[in-house]
Amino acid sequence: RKEVEQDPGPFNVPEGATVAFNCTYSNSASQSFFWYRQDCRKEPKLLMSVYSSGNEDGRFTGQLNRASQYISLLIRDSKLSDSATYLCVVNYPRTSGTYKYIFGTGTRLKVLA
Amino acid sequence: NAGVTQTPKFRILKIGQSMTLQCTQDMNHNYMYWYRQDPGMGLKLIYYSVGAGITDKGEVPNGYNVSRSTTEDFPLRLELAAPSQTSVYFCASSYGTGPYEQYFGPGTRLTVT
Repeated sequence: RKEVEQDPGPFNVPEGATVAFNCTYSNSASQSFFWYRQDCRKEPKLLMSVYSSGNEDGRFTGQLNRASQYISLLIRDSKLSDSATYLCVVNYPRTSGTYKYIFGTGTRLKVLA
Repeated sequence: NAGVTQTPKFRILKIGQSMTLQCTQDMNHNYMYWYRQDPGMGLKLIYYSVGAGITDKGEVPNGYNVSRSTTEDFPLRLELAAPSQTSVYFCASSYGTGPYEQYFGPGTRLTVT
């Protein structure tokens, strides 16, 4: 089983739609959770950190379910500019005290006019 | 702040050649990382550094070397390039480890033929 799994998509949605992605992780010791956005042939950029209480940033909402070991990203009122690949990132502590960041392969979103 | 910068943006190498990928950050981050991203795959950690003079192997270190003589610079050395090293290489940095986001450079697209 992969450490972090995402549905690769693509998710094709019309402008204005609401879309949700899930990401499952296998290591119960995972402590920090992130969603990054990656545009084609560009570097990943942080969209949000995801906390146990859930968090909202404008049209974007991140949720964490530790019991079922998944995080989700909800995008409301999709815009054409939201078209990108969304990477789930999870980290857990190494014995050295640093943290290992595990990247999912990404979910591709295409918002259609 | 320029953030994380990488040079070159593109490079074509012949099998057996060597090169150094440069990475510089101006955010005074202690932690720096080198990743490679292959099509359809998540980012894989090559090497990381927790401060000047301290480096450690990631998941896929074979065929690469790093050094960290200053806080700002973290070059990646490819010795005896092989076609399997064809990839996009991203350098990243973070203030700390754990709940801290990573900031990525724009990447280097390397082709080995």
